[in-house]
Amino acid sequence: EAQVTQNPRYLITVTGKKLTVTCSQNMNHEYMSWYRQDPGLGLRQIYYSMNVEVTDKGDVPEGYKVSRKEKRNFPLILESPSPNQTSLYFCASGKVDRGRSPLHFGNGTRLTVT
Amino acid sequence: ILNVEQSPQSLHVQEGDSTNFTCSFPSSNFYALHWYRWETAKSPEALFVMTLNGDEKKKGRISATLNTKEGYSYLYIKGSQPEDSATYLCAFFSNDYKLSFGAGTTVTVRA
Repeated sequence: EAQVTQNPRYLITVTGKKLTVTCSQNMNHEYMSWYRQDPGLGLRQIYYSMNVEVTDKGDVPEGYKVSRKEKRNFPLILESPSPNQTSLYFCASGKVDRGRSPLHFGNGTRLTVT
Repeated sequence: ILNVEQSPQSLHVQEGDSTNFTCSFPSSNFYALHWYRWETAKSPEALFVMTLNGDEKKKGRISATLNTKEGYSYLYIKGSQPEDSATYLCAFFSNDYKLSFGAGTTVTVRA
């Protein structure tokens, strides 16, 4: 089954404790992206990647890191989480075809930083 | 940050009624306009991908139109049913491969 898998689904942590949210897709997609969703703000792009070893900042990259060492994986790293990073996070993947194909989303990770 | 706006923010519809709402986006650097449906506790799912000015797409009772010259898209729901209750997101795909989402229109269909 074609899918984007995010883990964990829920995470509660404390300020400053490094964490990683994993994202994996099995559709051989070149494009992968991370979004955060906050009430009233819609989905905001954090980072995206066009292919292995190619990553770019989205609209809200501060406080986040990503890596794309393999095509299928695109982990999101919070080196020193802060309460303002409490949010619902989505990973998505798609083809690199000038937007002609839709994105496939993971099930989301709800992160709480206390 | 690209300005993608959706209106209204929310609407309530009686079962059987039809409704529509708007997505506005920059008219320059356009590659595509996506519509996603997002149900509570689920992940967004694609409804339509529209790339050409004048495009019209339809899936069942839901349809969408696109005007790239003036920078807007309409989503229509005909004969709303309770299962249409969801947040509908539009997203503007620009030529630098950034996908910018609107804040969504939340539709509640009352039986």
